Amino acid sequence: DQQVKQNSPSLSVQEGRISILNCDYTNSMFDYFLWYKKYPAEGPTFLISISSIKDKNEDGRFTVFLNKSAKHLSLHIVPSQPGDSAVYFCAASGNAGNMLTFGGGTRLMVKP
Amino acid sequence: DAGITQSPRHKVTETGTPVTLRCHQTENHRYMYWYRQDPGHGLRLIHYSYGVKDTDKGEVSDGYSVSRSKTEDFLLTLESATSSQTSVYFCAISGRQVNQPQHFGDGTRLSIL
Repeated sequence: DQQVKQNSPSLSVQEGRISILNCDYTNSMFDYFLWYKKYPAEGPTFLISISSIKDKNEDGRFTVFLNKSAKHLSLHIVPSQPGDSAVYFCAASGNAGNMLTFGGGTRLMVKP
Repeated sequence: DAGITQSPRHKVTETGTPVTLRCHQTENHRYMYWYRQDPGHGLRLIHYSYGVKDTDKGEVSDGYSVSRSKTEDFLLTLESATSSQTSVYFCAISGRQVNQPQHFGDGTRLSIL
């Protein structure tokens, strides 16, 4: 049973508009959440994270929102750019070993 | 970019042969991880290490073994490769503090025929 789920395998957005990527989790012990971006033939690159003591974290065009009661997090990209086209993975951690559990990924396509 | 090098980057081999993948880091980080990426599954943890000669199993460890004799090197071995182990393998590292992001290498694409 997947503990972290990204229910949208793909998302298409027009350049300049907002991209919203969603992630749900089931394990209430998770207390640290991350988003990674992955281009083809490269490793995942860390994008942004949030601790469970917060409900929002912002870094430039990227904002992550955490709703603990709903066990849901989302990544907002504003404005979206063609270079943002990639696969985005959400991940969660809940132990001192920093082990991550990943969602299945969402492919974002930003059209010029 | 984090100093992580995976080798080889690509490998094709036959069922039943042993395969070893290498991960080398220059960051002196304590934690090292091996993941596999398959369509629809995201990345799944195979094994991880929390120090020299200290390793533990992850979610999908069957058929894999690891070794870490030096801080900078973490080896993943498939003793007798099977076609189900065809995948892209990623190594990651992270520091000692809790809630640090992991940083990934560029992966090894392994095909087992």
